[in-house]
Formats: sequence, structure tokens, C-alpha cells
Amino acid sequence: NAGVTQTPKFRVLKTGQSMTLLCAQDMNHEYMYWYRQDPGMGLRLIHYSVGEGTTAKGEVPDGYNVSRLKKQNFLLGLESAAPSQTSVYFCASSQVNEQFFGPGTRLTVL
Amino acid sequence: DQQVKQNSPSLSVQEGRISILNCDYTNSMFDYFLWYKKYPAEGPTFLISISSIKDKNEDGRFTVFLNKSAKHLSLHIVPSQPGDSAVYFCAASALNSGNTPLVFGKGTRLSVIA
Repeated sequence: NAGVTQTPKFRVLKTGQSMTLLCAQDMNHEYMYWYRQDPGMGLRLIHYSVGEGTTAKGEVPDGYNVSRLKKQNFLLGLESAAPSQTSVYFCASSQVNEQFFGPGTRLTVL
Repeated sequence: DQQVKQNSPSLSVQEGRISILNCDYTNSMFDYFLWYKKYPAEGPTFLISISSIKDKNEDGRFTVFLNKSAKHLSLHIVPSQPGDSAVYFCAASALNSGNTPLVFGKGTRLSVIA
């Protein structure tokens, strides 16, 4: 059981470039989430999904898009990266209450 | 508007003593509360939770207390150990309103000094 995995672990982008972060879970969880963590800001919800084929906006959705084509995968896309999107990104999944987190992706946008 | 507040960014405690981490919330719809622990370069891991029908939940060295009237919860770690040094996040959810996403506080960095 790998739990929640995230790809890649690190990435450096130039302003304006695009990229996709992949989250995968093997626990058959219905719910999946994308957060960003910035110093002094805690964990802020970007987007989430309550099931395959569904997505919803969180607290800080601007500049990001998501897709949940398969139950086990949740993709986070940045179409045109900006320096303000430099952050550590965490994916999580849950069935009811407790969320299980991945190890994070450290993204730097120059 | 912060719905979950952890007003102490950091806390230092001597090994063997009690660590008390505090959390306040403003949304009266919250009925389920969780604490997560996070080490550097790792994702948060679930520590302990409490439902609003209880006022205390205990798991080994960790106890969470909930005071609904004050909209306040606290995490007690007794005795504190150096391995407890981490960032602790408080989180809340309104389960009775549907499975709404967790709302996290900004975290408290605990340092346990040997």
C-alpha cells in the first residue's frame, strides 16, 4: 500500500510555463484534495473532488485547474506559472473524516 | 476571515513536561476536529480527532479537549519527547453539513528540548 503519492517531488519553472502535478492514491478513497503550504499561511485548499469526474473550488483556486478522470488520480495544472505560485503542494485523499496526505511537491517559479 | 486559529506560531517545552497546543474556531457548524503533525519535507500525518459529542479523546500520550461553548480545543502531549518536535495543525469540519473539506489553522511549531 503506497497510500498517496505525488509526482514530481521537485520542479523549477520559468514564469509563463505550464505543468501538471499528479496525485495518485491506492486506498479507493472518494475524496481528493490539493493544498498549498506557504510560510505562515498553513494549508490552503486549492481545489477538491468528491468523486470521479467531479471537481470543486477551494479557498485559493485562481491560476489552477484540476481534473479527476479516474478515481485514483487527481491532477493539478498550472497553465501559466507565476512567481506567486512558488509553494509546496500537498495532495490528500479521504473516505470520510481523516485525510491522508502525500509527501508534497516543492515548486519554484522563477 | 480565519475560521480556525492557532494563535501561537511556536512553543518550546522541556523533555518530559506537558505540551499544550491551542486552537480556536469561529464557525459554530464545525462538529469534527482533528490534529495533524508535520515533519519537515514530509506530508502532514493524522494524530488524533474528536467529535463535538465528546469533550475529551485520549490516545496514549496525546489528549484532545474540546470546549464547545468557548469554541476552543487543545492538544496535550504528556510527557513530551524530542521526537514530538514538529508543526501541529488543527483542522475542523462540518460533517453534519455534508462532507465539507477540512479547514486548517496556520500551525504551531513545537520544539521539545532535551
